[in-house]
Amino acid sequence: ELKVEQNPLFLSMQEGKNYTIYCNYSTTSDRLYWYRQDPGKSLESLFVLLSNGAVKQEGRLMASLDTKARLSTLHITAAVHDLSATYFCAGLNNNDMRFGAGTRLTVKP
Amino acid sequence: EPEVTQTPSHQVTQMGQEVILRCVPISNHLYFYWYRQILGQKVEFLVSFYNNEISEKSEIFDDQFSVERPDGSNFTLKIRSTKLEDSAMYFCASSYSGLAGVYNEQFFGPGTRLTVL
Repeated sequence: ELKVEQNPLFLSMQEGKNYTIYCNYSTTSDRLYWYRQDPGKSLESLFVLLSNGAVKQEGRLMASLDTKARLSTLHITAAVHDLSATYFCAGLNNNDMRFGAGTRLTVKP
Repeated sequence: EPEVTQTPSHQVTQMGQEVILRCVPISNHLYFYWYRQILGQKVEFLVSFYNNEISEKSEIFDDQFSVERPDGSNFTLKIRSTKLEDSAMYFCASSYSGLAGVYNEQFFGPGTRLTVL
């Protein structure tokens, strides 16, 4: 069974700072997803990482995948308040998607 | 922009009652999913559906749950006899291809908050 672990679970950071969220998974994952969820809202797809070494960037967020290490990272550059949300990673094994526990990010002025 | 819609946004029911949660996936999507999220916890996969049959289901999706695509647009999740622990946000999602396919991005609906009393 695919297990997905994220850390940290809670992250409070100052505006303008950089930080990385880590996502480890236990067995082979066909791909890795990152989602954003605002309080009381649905999930917004951020990135789908398909292969080893994949790197995708959108604005201040950059996601990468290392399938050998079974690790994906979500790097935040020069954080702004609008990035405050919960970020989930999810792995996929044979059409069975498993989510991490989520990282609740708070960006303070 | 096309989107996944869900109704109702909030459903309150008594324990033991049956509920049906409804979803309208994006019109040209072929794969449909249900997830649940207990308040403050992670999102859990329930079931995926393709070509009028279940393609994957998790251990959570037991005999109390069923899914159906009764017509060309709706996708429903039925819980036959609700329990207190079924209280959660239920998300529907759809994708053009299966999760292992090329066009594998899932689009999520706004969710239905189910409260079982």
